[in-house]
Amino acid sequence: DAGVIQSPRHEVTEMGQEVTLRCKPISGHDYLFWYRQTMMRGLELLIYFNNNVPIDDSGMPEDRFSAKMPNASFSTLKIQPSEPRDSAVYFCASSLVGYSPLHFGNGTRLTVT
Amino acid sequence: DAKTTQPPSMDCAEGRAANLPCNHSTISGNEYVYWYRQIHSQGPQYIIHGLKNNETNEMASLIITEDRKSSTLILPHATLRDTAVYYCIVRAPNTGNQFYFGTGTSLTVIP
Repeated sequence: DAGVIQSPRHEVTEMGQEVTLRCKPISGHDYLFWYRQTMMRGLELLIYFNNNVPIDDSGMPEDRFSAKMPNASFSTLKIQPSEPRDSAVYFCASSLVGYSPLHFGNGTRLTVT
Repeated sequence: DAKTTQPPSMDCAEGRAANLPCNHSTISGNEYVYWYRQIHSQGPQYIIHGLKNNETNEMASLIITEDRKSSTLILPHATLRDTAVYYCIVRAPNTGNQFYFGTGTSLTVIP
């Protein structure tokens, strides 16, 4: 298996633009997570899905952030409009049910100028 | 809401065993202990997990105390490539939002 695949690896955009981050989880995994990492706040859980359904989005910073999972093999995290404080590395992870560990992608480094 | 406590940093000589401690005094009976590491600019990498028995795999060993209030991750022969931030996490099955990473231990392997 190729693991969790995220795209793009790097994204540079101007303030006010829409940004869409993409994630393909490991086939067969029922859980999908979106994390954000900054130097100041470390790794923060933004939202997670179970069987394509959003379960907990309490970590989403504000209404500018939205996430979808239209099917078991694809998820998006959208920021509209983007702001410089959104600059961070965004990770996607997936796992099976139960006590199985998370498997992370290599992240998308977002820079908003 | 941090459920684990780790030292912020540690050094280890190359070739020696690296022993990374973690305190989880409020762990519940159904919570597993997981260890991850993150090498700069990469996604966190799963290392090992356990419930109450000691565990070993090709990467490391996990020693959990009998009362389960603390654990130690052992890298038996540390190499320079083991320099990373190591995270200890406790998590119950079938949950998502309790996967809290905390600040971890920054391990530096010294030549």
